[in-house]
Amino acid sequence: DVKVTQSSRYLVKRTGEKVFLECVQDMDHENMFWYRQDPGLGLRLIYFSYDVKMKEKGDIPEGYSVSREKKERFSLILESASTNQTSMYLCASSLLAGVYEQYFGPGTRLTVT
Amino acid sequence: GNSVTQMEGPVTLSEEAFLTINCTYTATGYPSLFWYVQYPGEGLQLLLKATKADDKGSNKGFEATYRKETTSFHLEKGSVQVSDSAVYFCALSSNYKLTFGKGTLLTVNP
Repeated sequence: DVKVTQSSRYLVKRTGEKVFLECVQDMDHENMFWYRQDPGLGLRLIYFSYDVKMKEKGDIPEGYSVSREKKERFSLILESASTNQTSMYLCASSLLAGVYEQYFGPGTRLTVT
Repeated sequence: GNSVTQMEGPVTLSEEAFLTINCTYTATGYPSLFWYVQYPGEGLQLLLKATKADDKGSNKGFEATYRKETTSFHLEKGSVQVSDSAVYFCALSSNYKLTFGKGTLLTVNP
């Protein structure tokens, strides 16, 4: 089974802090994704990566950056956390080829105070 | 661009009732279609998928048929259980990205 793990289930940070969310997958998938999930808005894509050191902006990249130094690891960075970034963050991975179903981690609920 | 519209919830049913959650999409080309489920406190899990027109995806008693003529992929289950209470997301793939609907909360009462 594909396993996608995220470094924290719950995180509380202060406004202005730099925040790192880590995601690791164990199935040698080429693609990795970061989403945020908010009530009434569904899932929105922040960034994705289709290869090591490659990244592309999703629908809502403002205020975020990402890093992918190794194939199995994809980090989401909030350079200066703000209260409007309080959300559930979901990481996912998928194979490059095929029907592109994505496998999700359990999520990190981030609260910025 | 691509978009997915699914029925707004919440949907509340009694155990053993019939379930339908409507999903329609707009896309260029021939996307694959998915239903994901999110149980409380967890990430999303793939429930079923269909990769071409007239395909039927099925899993755990849930079914959905890829209808190109109506651009729909409605989720159905003949007899829901309390354990089916979750949020259900319809999604389509284009290249390697997924576009999700906003989700439908299903609550099944005993």
